[in-house]
Formats: sequence, C-alpha cells, structure tokens
Amino acid sequence: GAGVSQSPSNKVTEKGKDVELRCDPISGHTALYWYRQSLGQGLEFLIYFQGNSAPDKSGLPSDRFSAERTGGSVSTLTIQRTQQEDSAVYLCASSMTSGSGADTQYFGPGTRLTVL
Amino acid sequence: KQEVTQIPAALSVPEGENLVLNCSFTDSAIYNLQWFRQDPGKGLTSLLLIQSSQREQTSGRLNASLDKSSGRSTLYIAASQPGDSATYLCAVRRQGGSEKLVFGKGMKLTVNP
Repeated sequence: GAGVSQSPSNKVTEKGKDVELRCDPISGHTALYWYRQSLGQGLEFLIYFQGNSAPDKSGLPSDRFSAERTGGSVSTLTIQRTQQEDSAVYLCASSMTSGSGADTQYFGPGTRLTVL
Repeated sequence: KQEVTQIPAALSVPEGENLVLNCSFTDSAIYNLQWFRQDPGKGLTSLLLIQSSQREQTSGRLNASLDKSSGRSTLYIAASQPGDSATYLCAVRRQGGSEKLVFGKGMKLTVNP
C-alpha cells in the first residue's frame, strides 16, 4: 500500500485480556516505530525497530508490553493482562534510514484501544 | 532528558491571519526537527522536516525555521484558512543513539471563517 496501515482501527477489551496490534509499514522502509498517545501524556515513544532488531525498547512501560517484527516488514505490539491505564491510541510509524538526517517518519492512522 | 514545549496549547483566529506557532526544546544536540499536523481521530501528517544543519524549510503557505542554539523552532502559516484547523505537533530527534522522536504536547488551532 501507499502508506502505513494499522489494524484493528478500534479495539475494546476487558481488563486482564491480552491484545495484539498490527502495523504494516511503507514498503522498503527499514525503520519502524511504535508510539502511544494518551490524553494526559501526549505522544510517547515505545519501541524502535531497525530491520527485525529492536535497538531501543526504552519506552515500553512494563514487561506486559512486547513487540516483534518479522521479515523486516510487519510488526505486532502485544499487551498482556491489559489494564485500564493502557487505554490510548497506539500509533505506528516507518521511515527510510539513509543517515542523512532527512528521514521523515510517516505515521499510520492508529489503533484506539479501550480497556474496560 | 529532552523536553519539547509548545505554547500556547490552543489558539483560535479569524480566517486570513498569518500565524506563528512556537516550539522550544531543552537539548540543542538534535539531528532534525519535524512539524506534524493531526486531524481529530486521525494519525499524524508530516508537514516539514528541518535537518540540524538547516535554518528553514518551506512548503506552500508553510515555513518552518530552526534556531538550534536557542532551542527554538517556529512554524509560520500564511493566510490561514478554516482547513488549517488541526492540532500541530513538533518533534525532535536527538543526535546519536535512538532514532525516536520526542514530541511536544501540540497546539490546537482553530481558524474561524
């Protein structure tokens, strides 16, 4: 596709359940990022992938959060035993990594997660 | 720790005004700075990216400037239109290390017809 896609667009789950969020980056983009946007906190970085490796996981809020990327393309963010404070919009972005400083991050539409 | 601030949090103006949106950051060791637009319920759309070696970038009615030494960027919107109504976010990527972006909390702009 032409842009970053994410699925599902909305997810409502019960506290304690596990959820998986999916991101399809722009074809050929080697870098992939997950961010979280919540009302009180603004946009926060979660994890960054270069290829299938994650050199920066520093934004993952707890060990209930994990992510993987396969084939240098699709990524899945998994939240185990969801809590109400996990409710937020989860945004994925991708970019080329040319090293020139001109690597624009392109964002998907996000997944709105609501934990009841 | 890099902190990005956007003040004010919201702005309401009549159509046709020229606008200046402000962004400040605490650590001047940045790799680049991006301005984004976010419409309600949507993802982010990149507007302009300024590399650390650049002073400004222009796209149509938009002009973004960067002053690294003072930790400031401005986004200038000429002849504002109702369609410009959105939340505008700035984000910086620091030099070295992770490629993550650190975002300000955004400024909600309303342009009234």
